[in-house]
Amino acid sequence: DSGVTQTPKHLITATGQRVTLRCSPRSGDLSVYWYQQSLDQGLQFLIQYYNGEERAKGNILERFSAQQFPDLHSELNLSSLELGDSALYFCASSVVGGLAAYNEQFFGPGTRLTVL
Amino acid sequence: TQLLEQSPQFLSIQEGENLTVYCNSSSVFSSLQWYRQEPGEGPVLLVTVVTGGEVKKLKRLTFQFGDARKDSSLHITAAQPGDTGLYLCAGGGSGGSNYKLTFGKGTLLTVNP
Repeated sequence: DSGVTQTPKHLITATGQRVTLRCSPRSGDLSVYWYQQSLDQGLQFLIQYYNGEERAKGNILERFSAQQFPDLHSELNLSSLELGDSALYFCASSVVGGLAAYNEQFFGPGTRLTVL
Repeated sequence: TQLLEQSPQFLSIQEGENLTVYCNSSSVFSSLQWYRQEPGEGPVLLVTVVTGGEVKKLKRLTFQFGDARKDSSLHITAAQPGDTGLYLCAGGGSGGSNYKLTFGKGTLLTVNP
């Protein structure tokens, strides 16, 4: 158990819909990362938040957005869903910045999104 | 853009055999991490190497970071079915951007009993 929790475990929805994925980081971790994993693309970095602020953006679509709340949990919002958005979505957390010389990320169990 | 290439992409071996998987880049990384992922689960961190030439051992697994910090290898001795999984390497950014990890696409290892 990494200490990172994600809900829901599975999500089935229809094209055009909007869903919200939730993540709680490990106790003490200030950074949250979101990744998308598909069979053909591998693990793709979407976005990072550090202590409530957006720190870095990766290959995140405009239809997707995220935020980190004062209690440090994070939500990833996916809207106008398409069939191609079906994937595993992972959240990871880490201690980052001046406290760490390198960035070890600890992953949650993921949310499997199926868009029909 | 920093890229990490892993090889081989797929590896199927018999229990008891040895194997090595590779992670290569043209970029320098401040650190290199290896993760193992099982189907339907999140990646689990195995090890972090930060110094060029560094070697770390975790039971039957040996990890090495290249002298120039551009590549890494993972060697498994006497593989067991429990070693089956997707092995991912991830490089930490340099020059103050250590918050960013770049992942390779992974090596899918199957160890047959």
